[in-house]
Amino acid sequence: GQSLEQPSEVTAVEGAIVQINCTYQTSGFYGLSWYQQHDGGAPTFLSYNALDGLEETGRFSSFLSRSDSYGYLLLQELQMKDSASYFCAVRGTFMDTGRRALTFGSGTRLQVQP
Amino acid sequence: NAGVTQTPKFRVLKTGQSMTLLCAQDMNHEYMYWYRQDPGMGLRLIHYSVGEGTTAKGEVPDGYNVSRLKKQNFLLGLESAAPSQTSVYFCASSYGTGENSPLHFGNGTRLTVT
Repeated sequence: GQSLEQPSEVTAVEGAIVQINCTYQTSGFYGLSWYQQHDGGAPTFLSYNALDGLEETGRFSSFLSRSDSYGYLLLQELQMKDSASYFCAVRGTFMDTGRRALTFGSGTRLQVQP
Repeated sequence: NAGVTQTPKFRVLKTGQSMTLLCAQDMNHEYMYWYRQDPGMGLRLIHYSVGEGTTAKGEVPDGYNVSRLKKQNFLLGLESAAPSQTSVYFCASSYGTGENSPLHFGNGTRLTVT
């Protein structure tokens, strides 16, 4: 099966940098994804890492270390609109069909304060 | 371009009642998914489909049934609703299961079972 661990809550101030960590256990690793969800909204895709290292997309970066089964999402120059929940996710393998679907962590609620 | 559309947005059921949640996508995606989201538990996969006419069980399939008679539609049925099924239900679709295939989510259905 698959399991993911991430902190339940993080608080930071506007303009700061925050890192949201994720550790995972999965059979057959295919990459680590990150999704953002604002209160009352739908999750939206942020980033994907299949290989070790840092991927940068604007103010957001995502890092992966496959040997440590660990990744993080880095948010720079925090803005109030970044207040949301952030989910890491991995593609596990379901034994009954052999197909792979996304399994999500329980989410990290980020609160950005003025 | 509507993306993923879920109906209804809200619903209140009494224990033992049945209902069907509708999901439609206009992106010609092969893969469709139903997740439920409960506080502190992230998104959990109920059922998924890898193409028209196929369905498979996810992590928490008990009490639910699904059908994918047409490629663009994925229906989730509750045969006899229970209070434990009070949740927010999200439908999602993806082109494939690889790194270039992020999930596209609908806006969710908020279901309360009394």
